[in-house]
Amino acid sequence: AQSVTQLDSQVPVFEEAPVELRCNYSSSVSVYLFWYVQYPNQGLQLLLKYLSGSTLVESINGFEAEFNKSQTSFHLRKPSVHISDTAEYFCAVSDGASSYKLIFGSGTRLLVRP
Amino acid sequence: DVKVTQSSRYLVKRTGEKVFLECVQDMDHENMFWYRQDPGLGLRLIYFSYDVKMKEKGDIPEGYSVSREKKERFSLILESASTNQTSMYLCASSLGGGRYEQYFGPGTRLTVT
Repeated sequence: AQSVTQLDSQVPVFEEAPVELRCNYSSSVSVYLFWYVQYPNQGLQLLLKYLSGSTLVESINGFEAEFNKSQTSFHLRKPSVHISDTAEYFCAVSDGASSYKLIFGSGTRLLVRP
Repeated sequence: DVKVTQSSRYLVKRTGEKVFLECVQDMDHENMFWYRQDPGLGLRLIYFSYDVKMKEKGDIPEGYSVSREKKERFSLILESASTNQTSMYLCASSLGGGRYEQYFGPGTRLTVT
């Protein structure tokens, strides 16, 4: 069965520093990959997704993630973080078009300090 | 603007009570989901529904049931609440299968005493 690993439960970083949140999944068979963000006291919202094509995908607020099939990874990066990026980030995987289910990682709390 | 709403943000119930959590979406989505979110465990799927009156068990269905009588509404039922069901409950909906985004409600924080 598919599984998702987010090794870092919390990542503290200073404002304007770069950050990488790591995500690995268990199977390289055709998958769709997602990053969701949860701001305090809110539900999850989609940050970005990989379905096919270019392995580098970007969000509107400066995050990017790269699909690496050989390493079964989908790490999230941002070159310069803001205080407002403080949130919990979840990586999720879907086992292809026929699957309704998303498998979520345990989440990484990004704490941006001034 | 897409919207998933949940009936309560916070609920406190006693052990043994029957609890109803309601979720409504206004996007005409086929699929709806109930998750519970616990620290360090991420989101775990309780049940999902791919059509009216159709449902499938997720990864942790024990102690829960669901109802979907109308396309826009998906209810989660705790038949006899227990303290280990204290958690954050999130509802989501999506247009289709794996490639489609899931839209989430704000969550219901349930405390069972």
